[in-house]
Amino acid sequence: EAQVTQNPRYLITVTGKKLTVTCSQNMNHEYMSWYRQDPGLGLRQIYYSMNVEVTDKGDVPEGYKVSRKEKRNFPLILESPSPNQTSLYFCASRRSSGGSDTQYFGPGTRLTVL
Amino acid sequence: QKEVEQNSGPLSVPEGAIASLNCTYSDRGSQSFFWYRQYSGKSPELIMSIYSNGDKEDGRFTAQLNKASQYVSLLIRDSQPSDSATYLCAVSENAGNNRKLIWGLGTSLAVNP
Repeated sequence: EAQVTQNPRYLITVTGKKLTVTCSQNMNHEYMSWYRQDPGLGLRQIYYSMNVEVTDKGDVPEGYKVSRKEKRNFPLILESPSPNQTSLYFCASRRSSGGSDTQYFGPGTRLTVL
Repeated sequence: QKEVEQNSGPLSVPEGAIASLNCTYSDRGSQSFFWYRQYSGKSPELIMSIYSNGDKEDGRFTAQLNKASQYVSLLIRDSQPSDSATYLCAVSENAGNNRKLIWGLGTSLAVNP
C-alpha cells in the first residue's frame, strides 16, 4: 500500500529535550516536505527536499532541522524544542517538485512541548 | 505575499443538498489547483485536482476553475453527514524551484441529517 508514515503519532516532551520525528514514504517520491498546522494559521511549510541531499527552508524553518540521506526518509529534528513548537506536524510527499503532482500526507504527529 | 482565501464557515447544509465551497487566489500564474478534505485531527486527503478552466466531475464532486477571475470552487452533490469536514483549497506556486502549495485556511462544512 502506497503511504507516508510518521512516528511518533503523539509526543509530549519538555523544553530543550532534543527530539526527532521520522517520516518515510514508499512511493519513490522525489519531493518531500514538513508542515505544521496551527489553528487560525493553517498549513505552513517548514522545510522541503527536492531529492536526496537537497533540502531547503520553507516558510517557518526556525528551530527545526531536516536531513535527506535516503530517498524514502525525511526526518524532522527539533534540537531544543520550545512551547511555541507545540503543534500538529505533517510530513508529505509527491512524485516531483513540479506543482501538478498530487501531494500525499502522513497521519500527523501531535507534539506538545511543556 | 501569495494568498489563497476561503470563507471559514461553518457552512451548514441539510443532508441531500448541494454544498458549494469557494476559493480565490492571488497568484495569476498558478496552474494547478487542489481540494483536500480534512477531518478533525486527521491528515488532509485529496478530493479533486483541476488544471484547466471549466468543470471537472468525479462522482458527487465537481471542481470548477476560472483562471481569469482567479477562483476555484468545489460542489458536493447529495451531501452526506460523512462529508462533514474542513475543506482545504491549495494552489501551486508558479515560480521558483519549490513549487510549493499555498494553502487556504479551510471551510468547515457541516451536513445535518
